Amino acid sequence: KQEVTQIPAALSVPEGENLVLNCSFTDSAIYNLQWFRQDPGKGLTSLLLIQSSQREQTSGRLNASLDKSSGRSTLYIAASQPGDSATYLCGDSNSGYALNFGKGTSLLVTP
Amino acid sequence: EAGVAQSPRYKIIEKRQSVAFWCNPISGHATLYWYQQILGQGPKLLIQFQNNGVVDDSQLPKDRFSAERLKGVDSTLKIQPAKLEDSAVYLCASDRGLNTEAFFGQGTRLTVV
Repeated sequence: KQEVTQIPAALSVPEGENLVLNCSFTDSAIYNLQWFRQDPGKGLTSLLLIQSSQREQTSGRLNASLDKSSGRSTLYIAASQPGDSATYLCGDSNSGYALNFGKGTSLLVTP
Repeated sequence: EAGVAQSPRYKIIEKRQSVAFWCNPISGHATLYWYQQILGQGPKLLIQFQNNGVVDDSQLPKDRFSAERLKGVDSTLKIQPAKLEDSAVYLCASDRGLNTEAFFGQGTRLTVV
């Protein structure tokens, strides 16, 4: 059974810091990996999708990398802002369809 | 482009009652998913549809949960009878198909008392 682990479970940083969130997965035969943010009481908002043939994807201040050989993905957030405070979830797909999720990293960016 | 629509947003029911959730995916999205998210956990897949056919329902508790996707568009998820441990957020998601970006609705928060 494939497993997705996210470390750390919670993180608090002052505004302006660059930070890295980690996601590890057990199935190296993944099709893709997707990062989401979830605000309290809300659904998941897609941030970045990385196909298995890609090494990284960038959107604004966000950069996600994928290393299939080591079973790891990282989400890099540059110049963090209080509005970045949310839970960040990664999900991998080994079928090209349904995502298997980790428990998430709860991020708090303090002014 | 309109997002994934879900209703209701919140529902409180007593145990052993029944409840139904509705989802309207993004137009043109062939694949529709229902996930269950328990507080503090990541979403767990309950069922996946490709058009109006079921692709994966291996984690759906079929003795009490059922789902359908009529005409390959809207979908309903039903729980009958509900148990206390069914208290969770039920998320609907959709995508265009194999290896494409998934989009989620706002979810339905179910509380069973």
